Amino acid sequence: GAVVSQHPSRVICKSGTSVKIECRSLDFQATTMFWYRQFPKQSLMLMATSNEGSKATYEQGVEKDKFLINHASLTLSTLTVTSAHPEDSSFYICSASGLAGRDTQYFGPGTRLTVL
Amino acid sequence: GQNIDQPTEMTATEGAIVQINCTYQTSGFNGLFWYQQHAGEAPTFLSYNVLDGLEEKGRFSSFLSRSKGYSYLLLKELQMKDSASYLCAVELGAGNKLTFGGGTRVLVKP
Repeated sequence: GAVVSQHPSRVICKSGTSVKIECRSLDFQATTMFWYRQFPKQSLMLMATSNEGSKATYEQGVEKDKFLINHASLTLSTLTVTSAHPEDSSFYICSASGLAGRDTQYFGPGTRLTVL
Repeated sequence: GQNIDQPTEMTATEGAIVQINCTYQTSGFNGLFWYQQHAGEAPTFLSYNVLDGLEEKGRFSSFLSRSKGYSYLLLKELQMKDSASYLCAVELGAGNKLTFGGGTRVLVKP
């Protein structure tokens, strides 16, 4: 099946710093990538939808200036958490789908972010 | 808003059968997915239903009734490794955007 990787798998940073998380589709071209956040014992909450070469679409309540998304190629999307605060500590998961508007989403292994 | 409801937790015995129900009230419907997620890991795809009826895949089956806004995931011959969270997700429309339910934690006991 399709493989999606994320890097880093874990990151600890100080409050006020920025953190970049990469999401790559390894064996297929992902026209659409999705970024989710998951707090402990809760389900996935969609943050934004990213289409290659265009601006990301953010869900209501998600600050686009705080969570910068770049989808520069068909195999790479990045999420940058700017000026991170302890409340941003969470499990961030990306997913990728190969056919625009019609395909199963394949999830990356997730990135555990801890902000001190 | 979108509502997708699942039980929070279920416990079952190894070798038994467990049925996880999911009801949804959403503004659109383009299909329903079930994912399995072990603690600290990413969700893995289990099944997809877009038409009414039962889809069977080995020990896992998924059922959909669009008129009732209802789906279930059936796990047969439970194994210890099936202990995980099971997520129901609805694709609202074109664009493949998924809205997830809260997830059901299944604990399989010996």
